[in-house]
Amino acid sequence: EDQVTQSPEALRLQEGESSSLNCSYTVSGLRGLFWYRQDPGKGPEFLFTLYSAGEEKEKERLKATLTKKESFLHITAPKPEDSATYLCAVQAPLTGGGNKLTFGTGTQLKVEL
Amino acid sequence: GAVVSQHPSRVICKSGTSVKIECRSLDFQATTMFWYRQFPKQSLMLMATSNEGSKATYEQGVEKDKFLINHASLTLSTLTVTSAHPEDSSFYICSARDPRGGWNEKLFFGSGTQLSVL
Repeated sequence: EDQVTQSPEALRLQEGESSSLNCSYTVSGLRGLFWYRQDPGKGPEFLFTLYSAGEEKEKERLKATLTKKESFLHITAPKPEDSATYLCAVQAPLTGGGNKLTFGTGTQLKVEL
Repeated sequence: GAVVSQHPSRVICKSGTSVKIECRSLDFQATTMFWYRQFPKQSLMLMATSNEGSKATYEQGVEKDKFLINHASLTLSTLTVTSAHPEDSSFYICSARDPRGGWNEKLFFGSGTQLSVL
């Protein structure tokens, strides 16, 4: 069974204080690891997809990296508007065709002035 | 980017009534849509996969007679919670697969529906 574990559950940072969020996973046949941002009462917003170990992607203050067992979402010099829950998900093939996403429980990030 | 619209965003209903939630892909044709359920501080749990023109595939433990899914067109899927009870109160989120991405496709999510059953 595919499993995704995110840590920490919650993180409080001061504005400008860089940090990293962790996503550990076990999956059969990884087809992609996804990072999403979710604001309260909203659906997830796509951030990145990583496909193979060693891959990195950046977007503004966010940088995602991938190894064979985990992914990190690095936040550089965060701002209050980066406060949100960050979700990690792995995509794996289904028997009989298609893919399935398995989500972690997320890291709730709060950035304070 | 691709946009998925979900409606309503919030619904409050009495126990025993049925509630319909709509999910539309606005700028692409979605052959596959997914319905998730999310409890506070918990992960998104896949409920069912909706394929246009065919029956939905439900995850283990999800009652297909309670959560009716219809995907009658390439841009619309609906989830009907029949005879809702307080334990059905949750945040329901739909997503649609943009087929233009190939098998490494991205999923785009609706804004969610908060269902409260009194």
